[in-house]
Amino acid sequence: DAGVIQSPRHEVTEMGQEVTLRCKPISGHDYLFWYRQTMMRGLELLIYFNNNVPIDDSGMPEDRFSAKMPNASFSTLKIQPSEPRDSAVYFCASSRARGTQYFGPGTRLLVL
Amino acid sequence: GQQLNQSPQSMFIQEGEDVSMNCTSSSIFNTWLWYKQDPGEGPVLLIALYKAGELTSNGRLTAQFGITRKDSFLNISASIPSDVGIYFCAGRYLTQGGSEKLVFGKGTKLTVNP
Repeated sequence: DAGVIQSPRHEVTEMGQEVTLRCKPISGHDYLFWYRQTMMRGLELLIYFNNNVPIDDSGMPEDRFSAKMPNASFSTLKIQPSEPRDSAVYFCASSRARGTQYFGPGTRLLVL
Repeated sequence: GQQLNQSPQSMFIQEGEDVSMNCTSSSIFNTWLWYKQDPGEGPVLLIALYKAGELTSNGRLTAQFGITRKDSFLNISASIPSDVGIYFCAGRYLTQGGSEKLVFGKGTKLTVNP
């Protein structure tokens, strides 16, 4: 079975540009999570969805960040405009009910 | 918010040695989880603990859910080179808003010298 798929794996962009990260959860999973990992703050939950509906977005840092889940097999995390402090690894994870969260390989974002 | 204190931050050991790491918090969690992250990959679940006092093994790994529900430890016996990576503890809790969330420790970076 395919795991969580994220794209792109690496993204380098300039400050002010829009960045879109994509995630395909494991088929049949009804929860989807977006995390951000930095050296300073570790792994932080940004937002999570249940059955495509955002449940808790209290971890989203500011209005520049937005996430959508238009259907059960696709989610996006968008940063507009991007800033150098957004540089991090962004992980998507999915789970069935409240079971084990399976993480994708991450998107390494560098904002210059 | 909830915070986990994970220690040590890093460990350098010889192959064959046992390893111990732990997480503590001032908050109570209803589930403790231990993950391992290899370079360039996402975290992978190693062990999940659901009850205070629970002791669970997965091969050479053993983890315990502290009786106070505020701490957990992970032991690795007879380390091998492929144990290299970053180990994270995570605690699951219920927010005031009723949603369940995971909070992660900062990780323990393990280096195993052959």
